[in-house]
Amino acid sequence: KAGVTQTPRYLIKTRGQQVTLSCSPISGHRSVSWYQQTPGQGLQFLFEYFSETQRNKGNFPGRFSGRQFSNSRSEMNVSTLELGDSALYLCASSPDTYGNTIYFGEGSWLTVV
Amino acid sequence: GIQVEQSPPDLILQEGANSTLRCNFSDSVNNLQWFHQNPWGQLINLFYIPSGTKQNGRLSATTVATERYSLLYISSSQTTDSGVYFCAVAGNTPLVFGKGTRLSVIA
Repeated sequence: KAGVTQTPRYLIKTRGQQVTLSCSPISGHRSVSWYQQTPGQGLQFLFEYFSETQRNKGNFPGRFSGRQFSNSRSEMNVSTLELGDSALYLCASSPDTYGNTIYFGEGSWLTVV
Repeated sequence: GIQVEQSPPDLILQEGANSTLRCNFSDSVNNLQWFHQNPWGQLINLFYIPSGTKQNGRLSATTVATERYSLLYISSSQTTDSGVYFCAVAGNTPLVFGKGTRLSVIA
């Protein structure tokens, strides 16, 4: 069974640009969550999608958005990039309800210059 | 929201030594997971353990839900055990992560 797949793995963007990151969950998993990891703030929850609906959202500005498609694949978008958005973005999937094991992808390393 | 504290923040061990990592959390949970983050950034599942005890090779974990803590035991440590270990917990909420324990195993 394939794991959680994230693309691209590495990318460099310029301040002011926007970026889209993609996540394909484990087959059969309907919940997809996104986390941001930085040295200063650690791992912080961005948002969670379940059956194409945003179920939870973390404390991030509106420049951060996401969506989930009918095949459970998810994308997150960051607009008007700032230097502080440089981070490892991690996607996770789980079968459905809370109380299940959550599996993470390898992450997307974003550098904003 | 739920608070998660991990200790110690850093740990240096000689190869072959044993260690115990601790995770304290502030509220009742229905999900507790231990992860090892590899040098490439991926979070590798070690245990899903909201309560009870589990073992997997040289690693074992115990969660005492009523006292709101979990312990990760690493026995006969190897250099490949180096990295950051995270505890993450959730009620009916997204996972909340601790700040991690950075483990360095020296040959």
